[in-house]
Amino acid sequence: DTGVSQDPRHKITKRGQNVTFRCDPISEHNRLYWYRQTLGQGPEFLTYFQNEAQLEKSRLLSDRFSAERPKGSFSTLEIQRTEQGDSAMYLCASSLGSDEKLFFGSGTQLSVL
Amino acid sequence: QQQVKQSPQSLIVQKGGISIINCAYENTAFDYFPWYQQFPGKGPALLIAIRPDVSEKKEGRFTISFNKSAKQFSLHIMDSQPGDSATYFCAASPPVGAGSYQLTFGKGTKLSVIP
Repeated sequence: DTGVSQDPRHKITKRGQNVTFRCDPISEHNRLYWYRQTLGQGPEFLTYFQNEAQLEKSRLLSDRFSAERPKGSFSTLEIQRTEQGDSAMYLCASSLGSDEKLFFGSGTQLSVL
Repeated sequence: QQQVKQSPQSLIVQKGGISIINCAYENTAFDYFPWYQQFPGKGPALLIAIRPDVSEKKEGRFTISFNKSAKQFSLHIMDSQPGDSATYFCAASPPVGAGSYQLTFGKGTKLSVIP
């Protein structure tokens, strides 16, 4: 399968713990995005990479969140000192060049207890 | 805060009927208006998209109607089928190269097509 892959699919953690999610985009896609989706809401933009450069971050993104895409391939999203309000589905998407069509992964469902 | 307002929140349609979902936006700089379909446990998948230079785009049973002066656009699903039961999101983004690549999504419409 050559779609966007996210790992893990589900993560349960205790408040205050750190968590890290991984995203593997479609292999030739140079653009990578992270979105967050809570129940009953549309996806909310978090951050965007073009190759390895992080070019845009949401103003709503807490400094507890950090994302990397070290070699312009896979990306990781880390949340430090998790809070119950961080419980959500974290979606990764990728696209190619100037094509605005985003391909989303199935997401990582985070539950903070 | 840029916003895209979507209605209705939920919709029940008989098989074979027409499903209509509406969206309104505020930012006149938006240049790209996609609709995404999401099934439970899956990420959103692009269904159809339109730009402001056309008033309508049709792909199979799915049609987007766009009204630039009213800053509104809508999705029409003709001959709705039970397999169309999903959550639909409208979205909007500024032009590529405008300095932002984020899609702003509506809150979604849960469509149920009953036999």
